[in-house]
Amino acid sequence: GAVVSQHPSWVICKSGTSVKIECRSLDFQATTMFWYRQFPKQSLMLMATSNEGSKATYEQGVEKDKFLINHASLTLSTLTVTSAHPEDSSFYICSAGDRGKETQYFGPGTRLLVL
Amino acid sequence: GENVEQHPSTLSVQEGDSAVIKCTYSDSASNYFPWYKQELGKRPQLIIDIRSNVGEKKDQRIAVTLNKTAKHFSLHITETQPEDSAVYFCAASANDMRFGAGTRLTVKP
Repeated sequence: GAVVSQHPSWVICKSGTSVKIECRSLDFQATTMFWYRQFPKQSLMLMATSNEGSKATYEQGVEKDKFLINHASLTLSTLTVTSAHPEDSSFYICSAGDRGKETQYFGPGTRLLVL
Repeated sequence: GENVEQHPSTLSVQEGDSAVIKCTYSDSASNYFPWYKQELGKRPQLIIDIRSNVGEKKDQRIAVTLNKTAKHFSLHITETQPEDSAVYFCAASANDMRFGAGTRLTVKP
């Protein structure tokens, strides 16, 4: 149980394009999902908290118009990197917790390379 | 907000020795403290967690201790094996989870 999937696992795109990343909880419902960014050999940096049915809560310094988050159902959150630039290249990873439980389970991550 | 510090950043031990990783947190409201293991290119995997009403928890070769007064918690791995080599992250959670910077553990055979 407690499986989180993420799609795609790899994406290479041209500068200026938008990329959508999906995060799904496969066997549980998640009212809240979290989006992280991880640079090589560094820790997980929380970008935003995705709330089902309402607006996401962004961390200080994270541009909400740049990183669009939608949490339309209890099993799906999406992160769209708009007008991607090379500096947006990173490992993006989501996590979700079963409703009422604290434990967070991570998706496998999405490696984004912007050329 | 919560600030989690983790030490050491790198740790190298001989197979069979013990490894200890320490974390401190700043927000007294934090009540849940998980530890994750991340192998290269993979997702973080929960290995053990502890809640603020418990001082110690053990699962086979892994144990975690929590000192609420001092706001620090530690991960202890005994009888280390080469497959324990990975990056370990501590985290502290009140409403959302904040991670330490990570410890790269290398177990030499």
